[in-house]
Amino acid sequence: DTEVTQTPKHLVMGMTNKKSLKCEQHMGHRAMYWYKQKAKKPPELMFVYSYEKLSINESVPSRFSPECPNSSLLNLHLHALQPEDSALYLCASSHDGTSYYNEQFFGPGTRLTVL
Amino acid sequence: DAKTTQPTSMDCAEGRAANLPCNHSTISGNEYVYWYRQIHSQGPQYIIHGLKNNETNEMASLIITEDRKSSTLILPHATLRDTAVYYCIVRVAWGGSEKLVFGKGTKLTVNP
Repeated sequence: DTEVTQTPKHLVMGMTNKKSLKCEQHMGHRAMYWYKQKAKKPPELMFVYSYEKLSINESVPSRFSPECPNSSLLNLHLHALQPEDSALYLCASSHDGTSYYNEQFFGPGTRLTVL
Repeated sequence: DAKTTQPTSMDCAEGRAANLPCNHSTISGNEYVYWYRQIHSQGPQYIIHGLKNNETNEMASLIITEDRKSSTLILPHATLRDTAVYYCIVRVAWGGSEKLVFGKGTKLTVNP
């Protein structure tokens, strides 16, 4: 299984809502990533988890809260978002973040719209 | 972080080779060159990577110049399904994890 799955595919939420994005992989990868991609822009890294520990936070606002409950799952909890947070949120995983064969496998993304 | 420069867009005829250039003149000795592509509205897809030797896999070939300041991704027989944005990325090590910093990429259009 070389797939990264993300749910939901689409999400519409109000600025006062709390929602979560979910990402799952069963490739035995120990590094997992969240990226944000605005329309017609390249993906931008948000968070990196390595061996279930947060290793990189790219100065993301606290209204985005990542969680890695185990080596296969990665969540992104959303609270009090702004309309400018509307974007495609991509999850990725890789072997362990440091080896030569460290290509990242991306999921299809969650298209988020904040009203 | 080493920066990459790519042409904004390129066209290629179906069945012909597509050669996508990338400049990375500030690359350091232990940084790898990675190529990913993103087909519209999908997640990016890994293509190939290399350090200093040329590399080939079932998708593409990667040619890295001897001074490592530039590289070329070659899709030997482009198909319509290869239409995508192609990103050339220098991998930056950060503690125990690796960052991918995406540039603007090259929009490749394969024409029938």
